Amino acid sequence: GAGVSQTPSNKVTEKGKYVELRCDPISGHTALYWYRQSLGQGPEFLIYFQGTGAADDSGLPNDRFFAVRPEGSVSTLKIQRTERGDSAVYLCASSLDSGGADEQFFGPGTRLTVL
Amino acid sequence: SQQGEEDPQALSIQEGENATMNCSYKTSINNLQWYRQNSGRGLVHLILIRSNEREKHSGRLRVTLDTSKKSSSLLITASRAADTASYFCATDAEDDSGAGSYQLTFGKGTKLSVIP
Repeated sequence: GAGVSQTPSNKVTEKGKYVELRCDPISGHTALYWYRQSLGQGPEFLIYFQGTGAADDSGLPNDRFFAVRPEGSVSTLKIQRTERGDSAVYLCASSLDSGGADEQFFGPGTRLTVL
Repeated sequence: SQQGEEDPQALSIQEGENATMNCSYKTSINNLQWYRQNSGRGLVHLILIRSNEREKHSGRLRVTLDTSKKSSSLLITASRAADTASYFCATDAEDDSGAGSYQLTFGKGTKLSVIP
């Protein structure tokens, strides 16, 4: 079956611009996660959705970052007034349910470059 | 912040040899997972070991967990060139109720190179 997909695969933007990154989770997965991975580092948690609601957004670095999941499936990560430090690979993952014991299935990521 | 720390940071071995990677973490966990990542993109889940388990096998993979030392090891036997990748451990912290959380905390990874 189809895995987690993310679009675009690469995004180059200029400092100060607005970007949207999209994630299509595995069908039927109620939990969706966003992570950010900088070069040479492991992924860092940003936000977690259970259904349509953001159950935990404690990992979002500041209020320029926002994510939605209006119908409980596709999610969009939105970054306003991008900064060079936002350059990273943004990874989305989904799992059947929360609870911590579930395998999270990751998408291929979106590589964001802010010039 | 990152809880886990993999050791070594980089490992280079000949095809056919075994590769051992270690992971240490700081807080009590519900479970620990190992992931593989090729070319800095998507992560592939390898194996999950729960806090009440000590050892788990999956094909050529063997994972151990020592909660008293807050450490885990991943052994890949009879390595192949296709095993070349970065390997990450990720912990799922135990919350106050004793249940697991959903938030995975990753280490910085071990970069494994298997030379044909």
